[in-house]
Amino acid sequence: LAKTTQPISMDSYEGQEVNITCSHNNIATNDYITWYQQFPSQGPRFIIQGYKTKVTNEVASLFIPADRKSSTLSLPRVSLSDTAVYYCLVGEGNTDKLIFGTGTRLQVFP
Amino acid sequence: EAGVAQSPRYKIIEKRQSVAFWCNPISGHATLYWYQQILGQGPKLLIQFQNNGVVDDSQLPKDRFSAERLKGVDSTLKIQPAKLEDSAVYLCASSFLGVADTGELFFGEGSRLTVL
Repeated sequence: LAKTTQPISMDSYEGQEVNITCSHNNIATNDYITWYQQFPSQGPRFIIQGYKTKVTNEVASLFIPADRKSSTLSLPRVSLSDTAVYYCLVGEGNTDKLIFGTGTRLQVFP
Repeated sequence: EAGVAQSPRYKIIEKRQSVAFWCNPISGHATLYWYQQILGQGPKLLIQFQNNGVVDDSQLPKDRFSAERLKGVDSTLKIQPAKLEDSAVYLCASSFLGVADTGELFFGEGSRLTVL
């Protein structure tokens, strides 16, 4: 099965920009890349989705290189409330299963 | 707009007992998913329904887990008999289009199962 890999954890301070990268070598040609945020005792929540190049919304940006084998979630000026686990979600190359990555635990300090 | 509803939020049972979880997806969402999330891990897909048909249940332990989605709306996930390793949060999610390439899922708050 194709795997996605992310850093296990990251630390940051309030006001800084945070970039979290996900590797997905076996992404399918027509699959999108989606990032989710999860707080303790809650289900994951959609953050942003993209196919290639760059996507930006009111909370984040998503950068995807031409080969689409990785993606980077960028959180501008993080706050304490951004402390959470972040997952990237891509369709598996051959079966189109939706596979969650290992998740990156982001800790934001004052 | 109401979100995905799940119940119960918490359940504690002895091993070898049975348990059932219920999910009511967002109105109009054709696709419903059940995920298992063990503490410290990412969600693992157990089963995916498109309306009332099963799209994928390859990771569902069918000797003890079963799920149904009667009438293509609500769904129940049952475990019988439960094992210690089934202790996890069971997340229900739904999506409008249900195609793998969009990935935009709406999750409920989950049902936390503890098996003693």
